[in-house]
Amino acid sequence: NAGVMQNPRHLVRRRGQEARLRCSPMKGHSHVYWYRQLPEEGLKFMVYLQKENIIDESGMPKERFSAEFPKEGPSILRIQQVVRGDSAAYFCASSPLPSLYEQYFGPGTRLTVT
Amino acid sequence: ILNVEQSPQSLHVQEGDSTNFTCSFPSSNFYALHWYRWETAKSPEALFVMTLNGDEKKKGRISATLNTKEGYSYLYIKGSQPEDSATYLCAFTNTGNQFYFGTGTSLTVIP
Repeated sequence: NAGVMQNPRHLVRRRGQEARLRCSPMKGHSHVYWYRQLPEEGLKFMVYLQKENIIDESGMPKERFSAEFPKEGPSILRIQQVVRGDSAAYFCASSPLPSLYEQYFGPGTRLTVT
Repeated sequence: ILNVEQSPQSLHVQEGDSTNFTCSFPSSNFYALHWYRWETAKSPEALFVMTLNGDEKKKGRISATLNTKEGYSYLYIKGSQPEDSATYLCAFTNTGNQFYFGTGTSLTVIP
């Protein structure tokens, strides 16, 4: 059973471009969480999704950020018009059931905005 | 934003020593607390999910306790080994949806 996959592992974007980060959960997991780790800071919750539904996006910036988890395919975190402050490591985690079950983390995508 | 604090921030112990660290969280509206171990250049790895006041969980030499009434959890490592060197994170949720992570305790075990 493959673990949580994230790609790309490293992404460089110029200011104003779009960044698309992908997360393939573990097989059988229908719950996905996205977290951001800014330099010198801890993990910050962004969004929690189930297949085709956003359950809680209270941690996501209101503008430029969006997330989806379609019926088929990976979960996507999309950042439009990136700015330098978006440079961070973005982790996703999946779970077979929410909250009372452990989360399995992917290796992260390190986004650098130049 | 809820405050989850971990102490100490970092810790150096000799191989064979036992150690413990603390995670503090809001004592109202408790839902669950997770502990993770995060080795450098790897992903966080789940250790425990704790839900009930008084819970005690154990995995090998690592164990954890939970006090939801006073808002803290302890993680214990018995007979530390160099391979235990990692950052230990706790994550609190009061809704089951959003998780608040502490900044972690960085443990270094000196051979």
